[in-house]
Amino acid sequence: DAGVTQSPTHLIKTRGQHVTLRCSPISGHKSVSWYQQVLGQGPQFIFQYYEKEERGRGNFPDRFSARQFPNYSSELNVNALLLGDSALYLCASTDIGAVTEAFFGQGTRLTVV
Amino acid sequence: QKEVEQNSGPLSVPEGAIASLNCTYSDRGSQSFFWYRQYSGKSPELIMFIYSNGDKEDGRFTAQLNKASQYVSLLIRDSQPSDSATYLCAVQNSGNTPLVFGKGTRLSVIA
Repeated sequence: DAGVTQSPTHLIKTRGQHVTLRCSPISGHKSVSWYQQVLGQGPQFIFQYYEKEERGRGNFPDRFSARQFPNYSSELNVNALLLGDSALYLCASTDIGAVTEAFFGQGTRLTVV
Repeated sequence: QKEVEQNSGPLSVPEGAIASLNCTYSDRGSQSFFWYRQYSGKSPELIMFIYSNGDKEDGRFTAQLNKASQYVSLLIRDSQPSDSATYLCAVQNSGNTPLVFGKGTRLSVIA
């Protein structure tokens, strides 16, 4: 079984540009969450999607948006990039249940210059 | 503000010893608790989860939960150099709600 796949793995962008990150969850998992991890910190929750609907949003500006497609894959979009957006962006795939284990993809390392 | 606190370390232990990693959380409504291992430059890897008070063992790993004290720990027995990584504690209110992570504890196992 394929795990969580994210693309691209690395990305360098200039301030003010836009970026789109992609994630495919584990087969059978219908929920995808996005996290941002800056160096030296734990992952911070950005968005959660389930059945193509937004189910939760963290404390991030409106420059961040996301969506989930009918095949449960997801995109995270960030507009007007700032230097502070440089981070490891993680996608987590979860099944639905009383205890939901989140499995992470390899992440996308975004560097804004 | 839900908070998860971990000692950032580094925690250094000799090979073969027991490593003890600790985590406290502020939200009494938290139901599920997860430990992730993260190697430098890599993504977090789930080690185990616990949701009932007491101990849960999986191989060399034991998770311990005390909800009254809002405390969760991870013991690693027979520590190996390959266990050297950052260990992240994550807390969840209920099924399929977002995880709240601590900053992680860096563990170094000395050969």
